[in-house]
Amino acid sequence: KQEVTQIPAALSVPEGENLVLNCSFTDSAIYNLQWFRQDPGKGLTSLLLIQSSQREQTSGRLNASLDKSSGRSTLYIAASQPGDSATYLCAVFAASGGSYIPTFGRGTSLIVHP
Amino acid sequence: GAVVSQHPSRVICKSGTSVKIECRSLDFQATTMFWYRQFPKKSLMLMATSNEGSKATYEQGVEKDKFLINHASLTLSTLTVTSAHPEDSSFYICSASFARGGANYGYTFGSGTRLTVV
Repeated sequence: KQEVTQIPAALSVPEGENLVLNCSFTDSAIYNLQWFRQDPGKGLTSLLLIQSSQREQTSGRLNASLDKSSGRSTLYIAASQPGDSATYLCAVFAASGGSYIPTFGRGTSLIVHP
Repeated sequence: GAVVSQHPSRVICKSGTSVKIECRSLDFQATTMFWYRQFPKKSLMLMATSNEGSKATYEQGVEKDKFLINHASLTLSTLTVTSAHPEDSSFYICSASFARGGANYGYTFGSGTRLTVV
């Protein structure tokens, strides 16, 4: 059974810092991996999707890497801003009966203070 | 593209009543939709996989008779919480897989529904 672990569980940093959020998974037979952001009481917003054949994806100040063999992904946030405060979730997808079933980590709760 | 609309965003109901939550894919056809429940400070828990035109597949421990799922069209799936009780209060989120040309583009999520049973 796939297990996804996110470290740290919570992070509080001053504005401007570069951050690394970690995601590890136990079964490397994944189809892809996706990073999401969730604001309190809201749904999930997709940030970056990495196919299993890719090593990294970039969007603005965000960079996500994937090392499938070691079961790790990192989300790098450059020059953090207070608006980045949210919970960041990592999900790995595996094929199951024609669908792609995600397994989520518990998330990293990020607070960026001015 | 790939927008999923979920309604209502917030609902308060009395204990014993039923509540229906809708999840629509607005600009793509979703043969499969997923329903999640999120407890405070916990990760998302997959409740069931909703397949268009067939019965939903429920995860272990999820009561089929309490959480009725209907996926009657390629753009609409509904979750009905029947005979709701306070312990059913939670945040429910739907999602759909967005695929095109054989490639999977990941998941798009609805904005969630906050259910409070009083």
